[in-house]
Amino acid sequence: QKEVEQDPGPLSVPEGAIVSLNCTYSNSAFQYFMWYRQYSRKGPELLMYTYSSGNKEDGRFTAQVDKSSKYISLFIRDSQPSDSATYLCAMGLSNFGNEKLTFGTGTRLTIIP
Amino acid sequence: EAGVTQFPSHSVIEKGQTVTLRCDPISGHDNLYWYRRVMGKEIKFLLHFVKESKQDESGMPNNRFLAERTGGTYSTLKVQPAELEDSGVYFCASSHLGQGGTEAFFGQGTRLTVV
Repeated sequence: QKEVEQDPGPLSVPEGAIVSLNCTYSNSAFQYFMWYRQYSRKGPELLMYTYSSGNKEDGRFTAQVDKSSKYISLFIRDSQPSDSATYLCAMGLSNFGNEKLTFGTGTRLTIIP
Repeated sequence: EAGVTQFPSHSVIEKGQTVTLRCDPISGHDNLYWYRRVMGKEIKFLLHFVKESKQDESGMPNNRFLAERTGGTYSTLKVQPAELEDSGVYFCASSHLGQGGTEAFFGQGTRLTVV
């Protein structure tokens, strides 16, 4: 079983819709939870990170972490065609020392104009 | 400020050959990470440098892979000899000390194809 599970999609939604992306994980020691956006032939770009449980909002993006359920989500409001990309969740144990990130496989998202 | 730069962007080599990938981190970033994505799989950690020292190399697949970061600036990842299963996209990332992996910036990746 993978440490981080993410539905690969593809996911297609109409422009303006709310998008919900999520990941589940098995390692309860994860403390840091990240969402990356990756355009084709580009490197992952950090969108948001959250430490421990809770919500974090940044513009049209909201990240949620539920450590009790080992479940994280990314919501995109008022989705735009420019949001079409692969979204990767990633998790880490520590920011100093054991810093490797564990990634999900990524969800390919297409926003239809 | 320049981002993380990787060279080459794409490399095609024959099985048994040697390939060296290079990563130039963001200036001032002491942390440097190598990751790899094999087709159809998730991005996986290879190793982590703090300045010129290897902090964690638990993800290196075998001794055909050698990473160096002389002088604590740019890093190289050498694969010798390359095998078919080494094909994939190799990413480098860097961050300031103390920011760890949570605020690491990724390069565009080197796509390695072994034929």
